[in-house]
Amino acid sequence: DAGVIQSPRHEVTEMGQEVTLRCKPISGHNSLFWYRQTMMRGLELLIYFNNNVPIDDSGMPEDRFSAKMPNASFSTLKIQPSEPRDSAVYFCASSLRLGAVDTQYFGPGTRLTVL
Amino acid sequence: DQQVKQNSPSLSVQEGRISILNCDYTNSMFDYFLWYKKYPAEGPTFLISISSIKDKNEDGRFTVFLNKSAKHLSLHIVPSQPGDSAVYFCAAVVNFGNEKLTFGTGTRLTIIP
Repeated sequence: DAGVIQSPRHEVTEMGQEVTLRCKPISGHNSLFWYRQTMMRGLELLIYFNNNVPIDDSGMPEDRFSAKMPNASFSTLKIQPSEPRDSAVYFCASSLRLGAVDTQYFGPGTRLTVL
Repeated sequence: DQQVKQNSPSLSVQEGRISILNCDYTNSMFDYFLWYKKYPAEGPTFLISISSIKDKNEDGRFTVFLNKSAKHLSLHIVPSQPGDSAVYFCAAVVNFGNEKLTFGTGTRLTIIP
C-alpha cells in the first residue's frame, strides 16, 4: 500500500518565484496536514484539512503561503512569492480521522531551497 | 517561543548500551506526548506515546517516562542497536484528540558499533 506521496522531492528556485508543493494522502484518510521543518524551530504545523476543508491555518506564516485540497486525493501548498527564509523541508501527513495524533503518516518531504 | 525543547542536538551511544533522549516542555496544558523517529530522506514515523495520567509506557526496547512536575519526558532505548541511529522528535498535544502537535527541534542519535 502506497504511503503519502509528495512531489517534487527537491526544489531549488530563486527568490520571488512561485513554488507549488504537492501531496497525495493515503487512500481513505480523511485528514491532511502540512508541516515545515527547520533547524531552529523543528517541525511546525502549518495547516490541516478534514474532509478537504481547511480546519486550522493559524500556523501559516504569512499571506504568501496558501494551501488547497480540491479533492480527497490531492493537496497543494503554494508560496508566492518565495523568499530565502522559506528554505526548509516541507512534510505532508495524513491520518484516518481527526484526533488520531499517534497515527499521522508522513510523506518523505520536499526539500525547498530558495536562492 | 519553543514550547517543546530538545536541548541536545546530538547524542552518540555505544551499541548495546542505553540511549536516553530528553525533552522539556513549558505548556502545562499538554496532556499527551509522543516520540517520532526520522531517518534521512524519509518522513517522521510514530514510535511511542504517553498520556499525562501515566508516568511510564513501555514498548519492547523503548520506554518513555513522564515527570509532570518537572515538565520533562525522556525516551530510553535499551539495548541500543545500529538501526536506532536516526533523528528523534518529541511532540506534545493539548487534549488528546486535538490535531495540533507541537514538536521539538529533534535529537540526532548515533549508535556506534
